[in-house]
Amino acid sequence: EDQVTQSPEALRLQEGESSSLNCSYTVSGLRGLFWYRQDPGKGPEFLFTLYSAGEEKEKERLKATLTKKESFLHITAPKPEDSATYLCAVQAWRDDKIIFGKGTRLHILP
Amino acid sequence: GAVVSQHPSRVICKSGTSVKIECRSLDFQATTMFWYRQFPKQSLMLMATSNEGSKATYEQGVEKDKFLINHASLTLSTLTVTSAHPEDSSFYICSARPSGRGLSYEQYFGPGTRLTVT
Repeated sequence: EDQVTQSPEALRLQEGESSSLNCSYTVSGLRGLFWYRQDPGKGPEFLFTLYSAGEEKEKERLKATLTKKESFLHITAPKPEDSATYLCAVQAWRDDKIIFGKGTRLHILP
Repeated sequence: GAVVSQHPSRVICKSGTSVKIECRSLDFQATTMFWYRQFPKQSLMLMATSNEGSKATYEQGVEKDKFLINHASLTLSTLTVTSAHPEDSSFYICSARPSGRGLSYEQYFGPGTRLTVT
């Protein structure tokens, strides 16, 4: 069964304190791994798609990496506006569905 | 680019009435759209996959007669909650996957609709 596990569930950082969020996955035939950001009361905002082990993508203070078993979302020198829930999801080649993890709630203190 | 809208953003209805939620892809065409439900502090739960011009595919445990989905065009899908009850109160979110994007499989999400049934 396809599965996505994110850790930690919640993370509080001081502004400027870099850290990483983890996404461990099990999927039969990975088509893509996705990272989204979700603010309270809003729909998820697309951040990255990673397709194969070794791939990396960057956007502002965020960098996503992928191995055969997990993905990391590195956040460098975060600002309070980076506070949100970060969702990881995977899609298998066999169908259209994406499977979401439960997310990591990130809170950046000024 | 890749903007998805939902209407309404909030709706309050009385128990027993029906509510229709629209999901539109504004700057791209989407053969496939998805409907999710999200409870407070929980992740997204897929309800159904909607394909343009054909019947929706519902996830196990989702009542197809209660949650009617129509995907009549490449830019519009609708979810109708029929005979709504308080337990149907939730945050409903749609997503759309652009057609003809080659290897890009990501979904783009709407802003969500907060449904409250009294």
